[in-house]
Amino acid sequence: DIQMTQSPSSLSASVGDRVTITCRASQSISSYLNWYQQKPGKAPKLLIYAASSLQSGVPSRFSGSGSGTDFTLTISSLQPEDFATYYCQQSYSTLSITFGQGTRLEIK
Amino acid sequence: QVQLQESGPGLVKPSQTLSLTCTVSGGSISSGDYYWSWIRQPPGKGLEWIGYIYYSGSTYYNPSLKSRVTISVDTSKNQFSLKLSSVTAADTAVYYCAREYTNDYGDSEFDYWGQGTLVTVSS
Repeated sequence: DIQMTQSPSSLSASVGDRVTITCRASQSISSYLNWYQQKPGKAPKLLIYAASSLQSGVPSRFSGSGSGTDFTLTISSLQPEDFATYYCQQSYSTLSITFGQGTRLEIK
Repeated sequence: QVQLQESGPGLVKPSQTLSLTCTVSGGSISSGDYYWSWIRQPPGKGLEWIGYIYYSGSTYYNPSLKSRVTISVDTSKNQFSLKLSSVTAADTAVYYCAREYTNDYGDSEFDYWGQGTLVTVSS
């Protein structure tokens, strides 16, 4: 299996801050990397697909970058509704899809 | 707008079989662009992909669960189903069904999810 490791596991930030979350794959996955946002009691929501493509309807303050093994999700200016848990997911190995362990973004 | 809705028992006894159904509305499960997946999340933990099915009936399962998982599809009802056998407390989780979109470049992502259903394994 391809292991996905996110850092940090948790993060405290303030409204208006610029935040970056990192995801590292245990082997190269090209750009087959997606990012999801999950709020308590809700299903995950797709934010970014193919490493850097913004899903329709997602605010432009969210952006993704990277390829190979190292990827980042950036929120340019945190809004109150952005406090949630974020997951990366690789789709390179379609026969064994894996997620990162999650990054919990909390209000400072 | 595509919607997915999970249904099934919320409580299953140890050693028995967990059975869930996902009903898809607002789109056809027979569309060739999509795989139909099950994903679970133990309380307070991360996401684990269980497996998926194509409308033709082709299936792919997480190797760690493969011996206990069966996913099936009923195109006439626009539904797909999950069976997980020999459950233990470790299988207690919120179970999500999701649509995985794939394109000609090999990209794929879970673009629509059900709301999730909590299944507790307990006697």
